[in-house]
Amino acid sequence: GENVEQHPSTLSVQEGDSAVIKCTYSDSASNYFPWYKQELGKRPQLIIDIRSNVGEKKDQRIAVTLNKTAKHFSLHITETQPEDSAVYFCAAPKNGGSYIPTFGRGTSLIVHP
Amino acid sequence: DVKVTQSSRYLVKRTGEKVFLECVQDMDHENMFWYRQDPGLGLRLIYFSYDVKMKEKGDIPEGYSVSREKKERFSLILESASTNQTSMYLCASSLSTVQETQYFGPGTRLLVL
Repeated sequence: GENVEQHPSTLSVQEGDSAVIKCTYSDSASNYFPWYKQELGKRPQLIIDIRSNVGEKKDQRIAVTLNKTAKHFSLHITETQPEDSAVYFCAAPKNGGSYIPTFGRGTSLIVHP
Repeated sequence: DVKVTQSSRYLVKRTGEKVFLECVQDMDHENMFWYRQDPGLGLRLIYFSYDVKMKEKGDIPEGYSVSREKKERFSLILESASTNQTSMYLCASSLSTVQETQYFGPGTRLLVL
């Protein structure tokens, strides 16, 4: 089964700075890598995802990069704002191309105004 | 818009009680999941179901059972609640085996005294 490691566990930045969260996975057959954002007291929601046939995907201030050789993928948030403060979870398929995810342990991002 | 609801936001139960947590989704999703969320441990899969009356164990099924009698409803049962089951419980659904995005419910915070 998949093993997903997520770092750092906490990240504190000043408003306007960039933030990067990294996840590594173990199963080379994994092909789908989503990122979820969970604001305080709310449910996790998908913010961006990437499939193994591309190396980068962007959506406004957020981007995800994938390095299949090294088996890691990263979430990049530029020009951070206080509303970006949340817990972010990465995930990878539990077994290769499975639709069942294995989640990382989460990163608590704090953006100071 | 996908809507996943859970029967309770907060529950307080006594050790040994039988506890039912219910989850309903209104988008005809095939897959439904139960997770528990604990600080520093991320989202851990308890059970999942890919069809009515079908269920599969996740990573931490001990002390739990599930029921899926109708496609839209997935219940988590704690047969005899224990204090170490105090946690946040999140339900999720996904469309099919080829659509991996998870849609989460608001969560149930369970306290077992």
